[in-house]
Amino acid sequence: GENVEQHPSTLSVQEGDSAVIKCTYSDSASNYFPWYKQELGKRPQLIIDIRSNVGEKKDQRIAVTLNKTAKHFSLHITETQPEDSAVYFCAASRDLGFQKLVFGTGTRLLVSP
Amino acid sequence: DTAVSQTPKYLVTQMGNDKSIKCEQNLGHDTMYWYKQDSKKFLKIMFSYNNKELIINETVPNRFSPKSPDKAHLNLHINSLELGDSAVYFCASSRTWTGPVEAFFGQGTRLTVV
Repeated sequence: GENVEQHPSTLSVQEGDSAVIKCTYSDSASNYFPWYKQELGKRPQLIIDIRSNVGEKKDQRIAVTLNKTAKHFSLHITETQPEDSAVYFCAASRDLGFQKLVFGTGTRLLVSP
Repeated sequence: DTAVSQTPKYLVTQMGNDKSIKCEQNLGHDTMYWYKQDSKKFLKIMFSYNNKELIINETVPNRFSPKSPDKAHLNLHINSLELGDSAVYFCASSRTWTGPVEAFFGQGTRLTVV
């Protein structure tokens, strides 16, 4: 089955810096890669996703890149703000629905003012 | 007008007890899920229901029994609670069960077994 590894587990940056979180997956048939953000004590929420037919997707300060050959994808956050502090989860699936998503282990991002 | 709501938010109970967590969604979604998030924040699916029918049971002990009286509700009953059951349990829903759908999570139920 699919296995998703996520790094780093913890990431501390200064406000205004960029942050990059990386994930690798094992199933070459996976073709859907969402990212969820979970603020402290709150529910996970989808922030951005990418399909395998796209190499990069941007939404304001966040972007996701996908390298299908190397089987890895990354979340990039530019001009980080304290409200970006949260746990971020990557996930991968074969486009068979949410229940088939395999989540990474999460990255705790701390943005210091 | 909360989209996915689960109760209770906190649950503290003794080992061996039986407890239930309720979940309701008002989004008109067909599919609902239960996820377990352990102390290391790892999110793992437990069950998935589509239109009241079980479609995923991820090797969860049979002490855990989900019940879906209708497609807007998915409750989780846990028998003979163990210390290792302590975790945050998230209910979620999605429009359908196939394709790249977004999941909407409830606020979580923090279960502590003492």
